Amino acid sequence: NAGVTQTPKFQVLKTGQSMTLQCAQDMNHEYMSWYRQDPGMGLRLIHYSVGAGITDQGEVPNGYNVSRSTTEDFPLRLLSAAPSQTSVYFCASSYSRWRQNTGELFFGEGSRLTVL
Amino acid sequence: QQQVKQSPQSLIVQKGGIPIINCAYENTAFDYFPWYQQFPGKGPALLIAIRPDVSEKKEGRFTISFNKSAKQFSLHIMDSQPGDSATYFCAASPANNNDMRFGAGTRLTVKP
Repeated sequence: NAGVTQTPKFQVLKTGQSMTLQCAQDMNHEYMSWYRQDPGMGLRLIHYSVGAGITDQGEVPNGYNVSRSTTEDFPLRLLSAAPSQTSVYFCASSYSRWRQNTGELFFGEGSRLTVL
Repeated sequence: QQQVKQSPQSLIVQKGGIPIINCAYENTAFDYFPWYQQFPGKGPALLIAIRPDVSEKKEGRFTISFNKSAKQFSLHIMDSQPGDSATYFCAASPANNNDMRFGAGTRLTVKP
């Protein structure tokens, strides 16, 4: 039972570098999302997708890009990393609210990113 | 500006105590109010959730109290144990929408 798988678990970048955080789920969930977790700020929604080919912005989208070419995968791209993007990133997925009227989110184990 | 405000930021109780964590929201479109539990190095996991048509929900030692008119809800942990030491997040999402907005989290420590 893989659930939601995130890679890498740890990454150190220099300012200006680019990278992609990978997220895959095997539960056939329509909805996928990315959150960042910072001390005292809780979990803040970056981007989300309600299905393949559909993405939208959350609370803190600046500096991040996403795409959803398949139901299973939802990568998060940092085009030009900045120290303010140092954080722990979580991918989460769920069934759509129309199918499961609770929206329970299933989270990956996180990717810790440090930007120097 | 967080849509869900959570307090306290941290909480220390003795084993057997009843920690209470409070959350407040403004968006009346929210209709699903879960609590997530997170252990160090892990992702959050659903603990218990409530809909606004009930004022209380209990699952084992965990109880959610919900006050729709005040737009507040809280988590009570009965007979707390050291294994309950974790970070707890309240959250809320609107009807027909999966977007979950989280509180800032409460770090709970239960001393033996």
